[in-house]
Amino acid sequence: EAQVTQNPRYLITVTGKKLTVTCSQNMNHEYMSWYRQDPGLGLRQIYYSMNVEVTDKGDVPEGYKVSRKEKRNFPLILESPSPNQTSLYFCASSQFGDTGELFFGEGSRLTVL
Amino acid sequence: RKEVEQDPGPFNVPEGATVAFNCTYSNSASQSFFWYRQDCRKEPKLLMSVYSSGNEDGRFTAQLNRASQYISLLIRDSKLSDSATYLCVVLLHTGRRALTFGSGTRLQVQP
Repeated sequence: EAQVTQNPRYLITVTGKKLTVTCSQNMNHEYMSWYRQDPGLGLRQIYYSMNVEVTDKGDVPEGYKVSRKEKRNFPLILESPSPNQTSLYFCASSQFGDTGELFFGEGSRLTVL
Repeated sequence: RKEVEQDPGPFNVPEGATVAFNCTYSNSASQSFFWYRQDCRKEPKLLMSVYSSGNEDGRFTAQLNRASQYISLLIRDSKLSDSATYLCVVLLHTGRRALTFGSGTRLQVQP
């Protein structure tokens, strides 16, 4: 089954404790991206990757890091989480083209105390 | 001003009703347009693309007005299963795939 898998789905952590949210896709997609979703603000892009070893900042990259060592994986790293990073995070992937169809993971709900 | 603006709703309609959502975008260089659907606490999924000539998919009709920079989605004969949040999405830069999402319009279809 074609899918984007994120882990963990739910996490409560404390300020400053490094964490990684993993994302893996099995569709051989070149493009992957991370979004955060907050009430009233919609989905905002954090980082994206056009291919292996190619990553770039989205609209809200502060406080986050990513890596793309393999085509299928695109982990999101919070080196020192803060309460304003409490949010719902989505990983997404797509093949290139203008179809606009992003395939999303099920989301990771992160709470930073 | 937000790049993509939608009325947050909620729109409460009875089953069988016709409901329309509008969305406006600020960047006239926007290239492509889409509607995504997001169920409560779930991931967004592509509902349909929006073409300049307008397009229909079953009970759903999408239209684009480039001159006025707005997109619409019409749902006919609403079903309970149509209850969801509808996200207006605009593609600005093809290379970066910078999809800009509206905050969404919530629809609640009631029996």
